[in-house]
Amino acid sequence: DGGITQSPKYLFRKEGQNVTLSCEQNLNHDAMYWYRQDPGQGLRLIYYSQIVNDFQKGDIAEGYSVSREKKESFPLTVTSAQKNPTAFYLCASSMLGGQDNEQFFGPGTRLTVL
Amino acid sequence: AQKITQTQPGMFVQEKEAVTLDCTYDTSDPSYGLFWYKQPSSGEMIFLIYQGSYDQQNATEGRYSLNFQKARKSANLVISASQLGDSAMYFCAMRELQYNFNKFYFGSGTKLNVKP
Repeated sequence: DGGITQSPKYLFRKEGQNVTLSCEQNLNHDAMYWYRQDPGQGLRLIYYSQIVNDFQKGDIAEGYSVSREKKESFPLTVTSAQKNPTAFYLCASSMLGGQDNEQFFGPGTRLTVL
Repeated sequence: AQKITQTQPGMFVQEKEAVTLDCTYDTSDPSYGLFWYKQPSSGEMIFLIYQGSYDQQNATEGRYSLNFQKARKSANLVISASQLGDSAMYFCAMRELQYNFNKFYFGSGTKLNVKP
């Protein structure tokens, strides 16, 4: 079955540590995205990528970094520079172009900083 | 300016009744797509329905329909015959085809509670 996997589902981190969230898709989508969601809030775009080895900052990129070395993979690193990283992180992908191409989402990773 | 506005933070509806969730959008792109997603408490995002800016008819998918009023820039989601399982957060989203065509804009969401 095609889809998006994110791991781990729950992640605990000590303050001052970097942590990497995994996102893999087998939908053959070119575009991939990372969103952050705080409790009771909407989605905020962190980074997105339209093609391998290229990505753009979203609205809240500070304290985060990404890489896109393979079409299938778009890992997100939450660095120690991110002041309040505790949140729910969603990865998504979509086909390029086409106004009707919706985003497909992974199950999410809940990050808690201790 | 907000691209997507959802003005109802929370709503209640009686089981088996219909409910309308509001969404207004802001764009100067003549070609765009509008989407609705459902997010249950588990956190997954479930795609519900899509409406294209050039579509003449309102989109429907089972119990979901989209009341698209282009001149008013609104794309309200109508859920008919509400079920307890419809209790969730609902997000409206937009994709512009000409400007930033691979970027999606999401509203702040509406939390729907279906009462038995």
